[in-house]
Amino acid sequence: KAGVTQTPRYLIKTRGQQVTLSCSPISGHRSVSWYQQTPGQGLQFLFEYFSETQRNKGNFPGRFSGRQFSNSRSEMNVSTLELGDSALYLCASSLSLAAGTQYFGPGTRLTVL
Amino acid sequence: AQTVTQSQPEMSVQEAETVTLSCTYDTSENNYYLFWYKQPPSRQMILVIRQEAYKQQNATENRFSVNFQKAAKSFSLKISDSQLGDTAMYFCAFQVLMDSNYQLIWGAGTKLIIKP
Repeated sequence: KAGVTQTPRYLIKTRGQQVTLSCSPISGHRSVSWYQQTPGQGLQFLFEYFSETQRNKGNFPGRFSGRQFSNSRSEMNVSTLELGDSALYLCASSLSLAAGTQYFGPGTRLTVL
Repeated sequence: AQTVTQSQPEMSVQEAETVTLSCTYDTSENNYYLFWYKQPPSRQMILVIRQEAYKQQNATENRFSVNFQKAAKSFSLKISDSQLGDTAMYFCAFQVLMDSNYQLIWGAGTKLIIKP
């Protein structure tokens, strides 16, 4: 069974631009979570989607948004990029919200110049 | 507040030695899951081991085992016969149902270096 895939793997943007990251979960998994990982802040939860609905949201500004499609694929969007948005963005999928174990993708490395 | 504390930012041991990574957490809930995840330099986060809080028996997975002390809210990871491939960041996390949503709370991580 294929793992979680994320595209693109690397991205360079400039301040003020917007970016869209994509995540394809493991087949059959309906829950997708997004995390921001930075050296100083560790792993910060962004949001979680289940059956196309956002079920949980972390403490991030409204510039960060996401969605989930009927095939469980998910996208996250960051508008008006700031230097501080430079990070590794990780996507994780699980069978359900209560399944516990999350399976992670390789991440998208976003650099904002 | 639900928190996870990993008190060792970095550790290094010689290959084949045994190493224990510490993790403590704080929650008022009684039912939850505990996890150790590993993130090698390649960046792919991988599940190492999982423990259900209602189970008294400590989980084991080959060379990896945990010492789960529920009353002390402690969940340490022991790696036996350490190998070079064990070099990675190790994250402790627990999942609990809060406000009708499952929350996964993460520790800051421990960087483990296995020396040849």
